[in-house]
Amino acid sequence: RKEVEQDPGPFNVPEGATVAFNCTYSNSASQSFFWYRQDCRKEPKLLMSVYSSGNEDGRFTAQLNRASQYISLLIRDSKLSDSATYLCVVNVDTGRRALTFGSGTRLQVQP
Amino acid sequence: GAVVSQHPSRVICKSGTSVKIECRSLDFQATTMFWYRQFPKQSLMLMATSNEGSKATYEQGVEKDKFLINHASLTLSTLTVTSAHPEDSSFYICSARGPLLATNEKLFFGSGTQLSVL
Repeated sequence: RKEVEQDPGPFNVPEGATVAFNCTYSNSASQSFFWYRQDCRKEPKLLMSVYSSGNEDGRFTAQLNRASQYISLLIRDSKLSDSATYLCVVNVDTGRRALTFGSGTRLQVQP
Repeated sequence: GAVVSQHPSRVICKSGTSVKIECRSLDFQATTMFWYRQFPKQSLMLMATSNEGSKATYEQGVEKDKFLINHASLTLSTLTVTSAHPEDSSFYICSARGPLLATNEKLFFGSGTQLSVL
């Protein structure tokens, strides 16, 4: 079983749509959770951290359910510029402080 | 914010040659850097953790004699792919944690190196 699993997509949605991505992680000792955005052949860029209480940043809302080991990302009012691959990222080894990446969910927002 | 510079961004080489990729922290000191590899449509996979002044820690299945890591200074880590073969063609990317006070140890990525071995 992969440490971090995501639906690869692609999700094809019209501009203005609301879209949700889900992610599960296998290590219950995981400490930190993030959503990164990656454009084709570019470095990943931090979109937002994910907190147990849930957090929102503009059109983006992230939620964490530790009991179910589940993370979600909600994007409201999708823009063309939101088209990218969204990576669910977990810190499963706080001692080493490396990150474990999901394989990503591809989003294509269409006009 | 902290900046990580990675060079080259793209390299095409013949099978059997060695390729060196550099990763520099430009305005901060990074005692630890991470090297990842990403094949098309797959996730970033951690290859090794590079520690300044000591040997790198390699992930299971990564050949340390093939992927040589040198972290001789607090601002530079290099990854050398020795005797590269077509199956080594991939996107290689480094990352480092920024300083605690300035960035809360946020992770910063280099821009990546696309390696194509003919």
